[in-house]
Parts: sequence; C-alpha cells; structure tokens
Amino acid sequence: ETGVTQTPRHLVMGMTNKKSLKCEQHLGHNAMYWYKQSAKKPLELMFVYSLEERVENNSVPSRFSPECPNSSHLFLHLHTLQPEDSALYLCASSQDPSGNIQYFGAGTRLSVL
Amino acid sequence: LAKTTQPISMDSYEGQEVNITCSHNNIATNDYITWYQQFPSQGPRFIIQGYKTKVTNEVASLFIPADRKSSTLSLPRVSLSDTAVYYCLVPLYNQGGKLIFGQGTELSVKP
Repeated sequence: ETGVTQTPRHLVMGMTNKKSLKCEQHLGHNAMYWYKQSAKKPLELMFVYSLEERVENNSVPSRFSPECPNSSHLFLHLHTLQPEDSALYLCASSQDPSGNIQYFGAGTRLSVL
Repeated sequence: LAKTTQPISMDSYEGQEVNITCSHNNIATNDYITWYQQFPSQGPRFIIQGYKTKVTNEVASLFIPADRKSSTLSLPRVSLSDTAVYYCLVPLYNQGGKLIFGQGTELSVKP
C-alpha cells in the first residue's frame, strides 16, 4: 500500500465512450502526476499538478483532460480515444513539485476497442 | 540533461548479490540519484536515494563514487520476488525535479 489509490484497476472502452480515471492520495502531498506506460516502453509523463494548478502538460492530445479539484484528488477524463491509447495509466504524488521522490498508485489498465 | 544509462537486462540466482550499475555522466551539482523498482502491471516503487558515498536501507545499498558519474544499486541475497524492472533516475533539479524514466534494467532471478 503506497498511499496512492487508483480506480478503476481495469477499464475497457470503445472509441466513442467517455470515461474518467480517478486517483486519490492519502499522504498529504502537494503535487500529483499522470503517467502513461505503453507495452515495453518507458513511462511517459503526461501532466503535473502542484497545489491544484497544472504546471506541466507534455504535449498530450486534448482527448485526455486532467482535473485536480483539491490536493488529494486527481482525475483523467477520457473521450474519443484511439486504440493506441491502450496502456497502463499511473498516478503519482510527491511532497512538493520538485518530485524528487514520487509515490505511485497501482495504475489503471486501459483497453480501447 | 542528466541522462542515465543502465543495462537492459540481468540474470541472477536466488541467494546471490546483484549489482546494477548506472552511468549519469552529466549529473549536476544539486542532483540526487534515485532508484525505483517496478513489478509487472504495477506502479514503480521508490527503493533508495543518495547523493554521494554510500546509502543503505532495509532493501538495498547504493554506492556512489566521488565523481558521481555513476552509481551502483546492490541487492543482497536476491529472491524470486526481486524479479522486476529497476530504474535509475536523476531528477532534473533545474526543471523542478522532473523524472525521466528510461528503459530500466529487467532483473530476472532464477531458482
């Protein structure tokens, strides 16, 4: 148990669906992150939030929309995804935006049909 | 950028000590060296972090020479459950500590 909880653990969606991934951290951290990990590829940083403000967006397509309502919760809203978006989506948190030590959730395995 | 280079894969047997070396030639003065472990279909888990010389915790040891251009993660007496991918990272201090994950080292421990 890392203190970072992601739901759902698995998700299958069609290309026309709209779904959301949820992340909650119980560590009192101020920064949260979304990563994407495709098969046999390194983790790719998608978004960084610090104190509920987005501080980084790594050229992610607009079909991925993050939301951070407070420092404990992070969402990733998904719409009109493509099959190549199928991957493991990981959420992480750190004490401050320097992100030196990040604590990861178990991830959501997403399959887009 | 403090890019890291580490072996793609390593094999070991239960009970052996495993040493994984990472090179980071462009490490900056303020950069720390951090290692993570990742099991299949799980998020990476922080193992150990160091700045210089030697750091030891209940899981591993980290050896860093004086020039800090490399580091070695040492796992004592590995077991089958240590089979995982190990990542060496140097958070980009001058870019807010951003983590850039490489391919990591896939460690396979055999009975």
